[in-house]
Amino acid sequence: EDQVTQSPEALRLQEGESSSLNCSYTVSGLRGLFWYRQDPGKGPEFLFTLYSAGEEKEKERLKATLTKKESFLHITAPKPEDSATYLCAVQAGTGRRALTFGSGTRLQVQP
Amino acid sequence: EPEVTQTPSHQVTQMGQEVILRCVPISNHLYFYWYRQILGQKVEFLVSFYNNEISEKSEIFDDQFSVERPDGSNFTLKIRSTKLEDSAMYFCASSRGTGRVTDTQYFGPGTRLTVL
Repeated sequence: EDQVTQSPEALRLQEGESSSLNCSYTVSGLRGLFWYRQDPGKGPEFLFTLYSAGEEKEKERLKATLTKKESFLHITAPKPEDSATYLCAVQAGTGRRALTFGSGTRLQVQP
Repeated sequence: EPEVTQTPSHQVTQMGQEVILRCVPISNHLYFYWYRQILGQKVEFLVSFYNNEISEKSEIFDDQFSVERPDGSNFTLKIRSTKLEDSAMYFCASSRGTGRVTDTQYFGPGTRLTVL
């Protein structure tokens, strides 16, 4: 059974204080790892897809990296508007499209 | 930018009643999905749909659930006899479905279902 574990559960940062969120996974045949942002009461908003170990993607203050066992979402100089829950999801197995999600990291950035 | 839309945003129903949740996927997408998120828990996969049939479903998606594409734009999730434990946020998603199997799923804003 695919497992996705995110840490920490919650993170409070000061504006400008960089940090990283972790997503570790145990799956058979990873085909893709996805990062989403979720605001309270809203649907997940797509951020990145990573396909293979060593891959990196960047968007504004966010950078996602992937190894064979985990992924990191690095947040550089965060702003209050980056406050949200960040979800990691994996797609694995032959022909399967279902995403398996982690519990998320709830990020709060204080001004 | 094209978006997945869902209606209603909030549905309140009595236990045992049938509910239909509606979604309009992104227009050129071929794969459609339903997920749910019980308050405070993970987002969970329910079902995927392609070419007018279910392509994959989870253990959660039992006989009380059904999906349909009644016309060229809508995609629906029906829950036949709602239970208290069906209370959750239900998300519709869609993906292009062309070429590689790993394509991005884009989510709608969700329908909050409350079963009393």
